[in-house]
Amino acid sequence: QVQLVESGGGVVQPGRSLRLSCAASGFSFSSHGMHWVRQAPGKGLEWVAVIWYDGSNKYYGDSVKGRFTISRDNSKNTLYLQMNSLRAEDTAVYYCARDLGGVAVLNTLGWFDPWGQGTLVTVSS
Amino acid sequence: EIVLTQSPATLSLSPGERATLSCRASQSVSTYLAWYQQKPGQPPRLLIYDASNRATGIPARFSGSGSGTDFTLTISSLEPEDFAVYYCQQRDNWPPVTFGQGTRLDIK
Repeated sequence: QVQLVESGGGVVQPGRSLRLSCAASGFSFSSHGMHWVRQAPGKGLEWVAVIWYDGSNKYYGDSVKGRFTISRDNSKNTLYLQMNSLRAEDTAVYYCARDLGGVAVLNTLGWFDPWGQGTLVTVSS
Repeated sequence: EIVLTQSPATLSLSPGERATLSCRASQSVSTYLAWYQQKPGQPPRLLIYDASNRATGIPARFSGSGSGTDFTLTISSLEPEDFAVYYCQQRDNWPPVTFGQGTRLDIK
């Protein structure tokens, strides 16, 4: 079955960097766009970034633009999120999610299905 | 940025009752709206996309309707496992996509 497993979270000081990974299995990873979505403790959902199935397009939410970089390695079925200049307000559970669309529909749709279990990032001194 | 407002914030109902959750957009999103269910300690699960299409494996008691700025998620007869937080999300002219603040569905 489709599985997404995030890793790389932890406690980091403000201003430092962290890289998250999302290992995918059970589907054709290279055929789907992939997203990062985060959820601050006790709060709602915030979309972070998307990368097209082939890496040709990348887009970011305003709150992370210029600090975070999304990337993927289709040979390793892995999605990444490089987070630099971290702030306290970046504290959240970070989820990776597969886009519902993909090569089969010739489009990245902006719907998230399924999601991984998430990894917690805490930015604190 | 398109703002989604969900109502009510909390809905208290009993198993077997009908649940109606609302999501209003600050401008038209056509039918580019989805609904997600999130239980404590779990990631969200896609229920409905394109306003009215059920995702794979979602029971028929979940249905979505609406277009433009007003949308509804209906659960026809609540099962014990349906008590959770529900989020709407839009993808009109994305990116970005945006989410509503959530509706908590509690057992009465």
